[in-house]
Amino acid sequence: DTGVSQDPRHKITKRGQNVTFRCDPISEHNRLYWYRQTLGQGPEFLTYFQNEAQLEKSRLLSDRFSAERPKGSFSTLEIQRTEQGDSAMYLCASSLGPAENEQFFGPGTRLTVL
Amino acid sequence: QKEVEQNSGPLSVPEGAIASLNCTYSDRGSQSFFWYRQYSGKSPELIMFIYSNGDKEDGRFTAQLNKASQYVSLLIRDSQPSDSATYLCATDTGTASKLTFGTGTRLQVTL
Repeated sequence: DTGVSQDPRHKITKRGQNVTFRCDPISEHNRLYWYRQTLGQGPEFLTYFQNEAQLEKSRLLSDRFSAERPKGSFSTLEIQRTEQGDSAMYLCASSLGPAENEQFFGPGTRLTVL
Repeated sequence: QKEVEQNSGPLSVPEGAIASLNCTYSDRGSQSFFWYRQYSGKSPELIMFIYSNGDKEDGRFTAQLNKASQYVSLLIRDSQPSDSATYLCATDTGTASKLTFGTGTRLQVTL
């Protein structure tokens, strides 16, 4: 499978715990995006990377959220001190980069905070 | 005013009919427009993108863009029950960065 992959697919955690999600983009794609989607809403942008550089972060991204993309390959999104409001589907997407912004999504990680 | 607006539906069409899905956007800097299909519990799947005014056809799908009216639409010809899903409209500002999505229109194709 050469598409975007995400791990884990589901995560249940207790409030206050830290969680980390991983995304592996399509191999030749330079840009990697993180979005969050709640029921009945479209995906909301969180952050994106061009290779290893984080180029933009949403104002939605509180200081409890951090993302990195070491070596410009896979990316991780960490949420510290989770809150019930963090429960959502976390989606990763990738694209070739500047001239081509067709973004392809992975299957997502569904987070439930109890 | 939301940046990207879609009627949430559901839009119900009989099998074999044409489904017309509409989207308006507020940012005149928007350059690229995307349609994603999302089945319940799944992630969005890219089905069409359009950059220039006019029509773009791909199989049973046609995307239409009118930048002057800030309007983009998706037509699905010969609708099938398997087309039943939520259709998300998204735009960017041409800088190859974030996509801004509408809330989606739920399409139901009835037998």
